[in-house]
Amino acid sequence: GAGVSQSPSNKVTEKGKDVELRCDPISGHTALYWYRQSLGQGLEFLIYFQGNSAPDKSGLPSDRFSAERTGGSVSTLTIQRTQQEDSAVYLCASSLGSGLETQYFGPGTRLLVL
Amino acid sequence: GENVEQHPSTLSVQEGDSAVIKCTYSDSASNYFPWYKQELGKGPQLIIDIRSNVGEKKDQRIAVTLNKTAKHFSLHITETQPEDSAVYFCANNAGGTSYGKLTFGQGTILTVHP
Repeated sequence: GAGVSQSPSNKVTEKGKDVELRCDPISGHTALYWYRQSLGQGLEFLIYFQGNSAPDKSGLPSDRFSAERTGGSVSTLTIQRTQQEDSAVYLCASSLGSGLETQYFGPGTRLLVL
Repeated sequence: GENVEQHPSTLSVQEGDSAVIKCTYSDSASNYFPWYKQELGKGPQLIIDIRSNVGEKKDQRIAVTLNKTAKHFSLHITETQPEDSAVYFCANNAGGTSYGKLTFGQGTILTVHP
């Protein structure tokens, strides 16, 4: 079956512009996570959704970052007024339930801020 | 916050040899310890996980051991094959959360030479 998909796969933007990154989780998965992976580093938790609500937003680095999820499915991560330090791979993962279950990752969106 | 240290950062072995990757953590509340494999250009994929109520778990050529007293856990791959070449990440559930908010190690680049 279809896995987690993310779009765009690559995004180049200029400093100060806003970007939107999209995640389509596996159908029926209620939990959705966003992580950020900087070059040569491990993954950094950003936000957790259970259904359409986000009970844990503690990893969002600043108020320029926001995310939403609609219909218990698609999620969008928005970065406003992008900075060069925002350059990274943004990964989305989903899991069937809200517990400590297998997270299935998408291929990521590579964001480069010039 | 939680810190997960992973060693070594790179590991090179000959096909058929064993590979061992070790991680230490600081948060005693953690009770879920997954390992992920990430191939170039792809998102991480879960290969094995262990929970705090067991000390060892095996799945064919892969095994994980956990020492909660010493706060370290290890991944063991036996009879390595070239297709095992990838980046491996350890992780744990930061703060002992009941959901999948994961803290990742910095990764180990494993190269298996034919």
